[in-house]
Amino acid sequence: QVQLVQSGAEVKKPGASMRVSCKASGYTFTTYDIIWVRQATGQGLEWMGWMNPNSGNTGYAQKFQGRVTMTRNTSISTAYMELSSLRSEDTAVYYCARGTGYSSGYSFDSWGQGTLVTVSS
Amino acid sequence: DIQMTQSPSSVSASVGDRVTITCQASQSIGSWLAWYQQKPGKAPKLLIYAASSLQSGAPSRFSGSRSGTDFTLSISSLQPEDFATYYCQQAYSFPITFGQGTRLEIK
Repeated sequence: QVQLVQSGAEVKKPGASMRVSCKASGYTFTTYDIIWVRQATGQGLEWMGWMNPNSGNTGYAQKFQGRVTMTRNTSISTAYMELSSLRSEDTAVYYCARGTGYSSGYSFDSWGQGTLVTVSS
Repeated sequence: DIQMTQSPSSVSASVGDRVTITCQASQSIGSWLAWYQQKPGKAPKLLIYAASSLQSGAPSRFSGSRSGTDFTLSISSLQPEDFATYYCQQAYSFPITFGQGTRLEIK
């Protein structure tokens, strides 16, 4: 079955960088986009951007432009999301998810378990 | 950016009730709308895509509809496992945006 498994929780200091990994299994990794969404405690879902694992093409939300980088290693079916210049407001659970493609309305049908990143001095 | 406005923000209901949650887009998004269910400490789960298509594995008591820029998620007969937070999401244009969520609580 389709599965996305994310790396473990992290604690970072303000100004540092974080990298979360998302390992895909149960399907051909290069066939579907990977998107990243974050959720602060008690808050809603915030889309950060997308990556096409086949081409490596990416698109980022304006809010994160210049701070976020999404990459992949196709040989191990793993996507990565790196966020730099961290501040306390970046404390959140970060999710990766699989995009279904435009024929299915570009929704997100499988999600990782989430990675809690805490930014604190 | 396209704004997605959900209502109500929270609703209390009983097992067996029919519940309707609404999401209004700030501009036309066609049928590029999905609904998700999220339980505490868990990742969201896709219920409905393309406004009215039931995701494989989602219970048939969930349904979605569209009228212009207004979208509705209906649960025909609430089950105990349905108490959760529900989000709509538009994929008509980037940035993808979500509604603020509707918390469905037990009365």
